[in-house]
Amino acid sequence: GAGVSQSPRYKVTKRGQDVALRCDPISGHVSLYWYRQALGQGPEFLTYFNYEAQQDKSGLPNDRFSAERPEGSISTLTIQRTEQRDSAMYRCASSSTLTTSTDTQYFGPGTRLTVL
Amino acid sequence: AQKVTQAQTEISVVEKEDVTLDCVYETRDTTYYLFWYKQPPSGELVFLIRRNSFDEQNEISGRYSWNFQKSTSSFNFTITASQVVDSAVYFCALNSGTSYGKLTFGQGTILTVHP
Repeated sequence: GAGVSQSPRYKVTKRGQDVALRCDPISGHVSLYWYRQALGQGPEFLTYFNYEAQQDKSGLPNDRFSAERPEGSISTLTIQRTEQRDSAMYRCASSSTLTTSTDTQYFGPGTRLTVL
Repeated sequence: AQKVTQAQTEISVVEKEDVTLDCVYETRDTTYYLFWYKQPPSGELVFLIRRNSFDEQNEISGRYSWNFQKSTSSFNFTITASQVVDSAVYFCALNSGTSYGKLTFGQGTILTVHP
């Protein structure tokens, strides 16, 4: 079956612009996660959802970052007034159950964001 | 707090050599899960294995094997008879009972297999 998909795969934007990154999870997966991966580092947690409810947003770096999953399927991560330090790979993952402490997370291909 | 340490930043081997990637973790939880992911040059993050804290049995899958030792808080990954296609960045990750889905990743080990 289809895996997690993300779009766009690459995004180049100018400082100060807003960007929206999309994630389409594996069909039927109830939990969805966002991570950010800097070059040469492992992914770092941003936020996650169970169905449409945002359960934890403790990893969002500041209030320019927000995420939503209004219908419990596709999710959008929005970064307002982008800054150069926001440049990174943004990864989305999904898992099949609500037992998020044990479930395997399957990752999408990521969106490479470059802020000029 | 959770922590995962992959002390080897880069490893270079010649094809057919065996190679072991080290992973040491820290957690105060008694129930936790450990994972390995592979990030090939194409950039995606591919799930390889999941182990829970109650199962210390070693796992073998083809050329891959994993050695989980609670006594040393380690979850090492061995590739036997390495191949060029094994070249990738490998990440070890931890999810515990109180982290509720927040995977904690190590910084990754870059493995290069030369022909």
